Amino acid sequence: EAQVTQNPRYLITVTGKKLTVTCSQNMNHEYMSWYRQDPGLGLRQIYYSMNVEVTDKGDVPEGYKVSRKEKRNFPLILESPSPNQTSLYFCASSGTSEDEQYFGPGTRLTVT
Amino acid sequence: GENVEQHPSTLSVQEGDSAVIKCTYSDSASNYFPWYKQELGKRPQLIIDIRSNVGEKKDQRIAVTLNKTAKHFSLHITETQPEDSAVYFCAASTGTGGFKTIFGAGTRLFVKA
Repeated sequence: EAQVTQNPRYLITVTGKKLTVTCSQNMNHEYMSWYRQDPGLGLRQIYYSMNVEVTDKGDVPEGYKVSRKEKRNFPLILESPSPNQTSLYFCASSGTSEDEQYFGPGTRLTVT
Repeated sequence: GENVEQHPSTLSVQEGDSAVIKCTYSDSASNYFPWYKQELGKRPQLIIDIRSNVGEKKDQRIAVTLNKTAKHFSLHITETQPEDSAVYFCAASTGTGGFKTIFGAGTRLFVKA
């Protein structure tokens, strides 16, 4: 079954404790993105990747890092989480830049 | 920075009526315009998309129109049904030289039976 998976689905952590949210897709897609969703703001792109070892900043990259060492995986790293990073995070992948993005199930992160 | 404005933020219609959601984008390099539907507690899913070389696209009860000169695109849902109730997001994507995607803030659609 074609899918995008994210882990963990829920995470409560404290300020400053490094964390990683994993994202994996099994569709051999080149393009992957991370978004955060906050009420009234829609989805905002954090980082995107167009292929292995090719990543670039989206609209709200501050406080986040990503890597793309393998085509299927695109982890999101928060080196020192802060309360303003409390949000719902979605990973997405697509075959080209003009194709449907397939979203993962989301990760709800709370930073206290 | 670049942005996408979406209106209205909330829309309530009677079952069987039509619903129209409008978006305006600022980046003239945008060339791909998808619409996503998000039901409560679920992930966004594509319902229709349009590319910059096309002015209109239809898929059963759903249609999208694009006016590149005005940087404006719209979603039209006809014969609305209660299961159309959800949040709808428009987006503008720039594929040339990158993969920046800007989403609108969303429209919450209520279809009353």
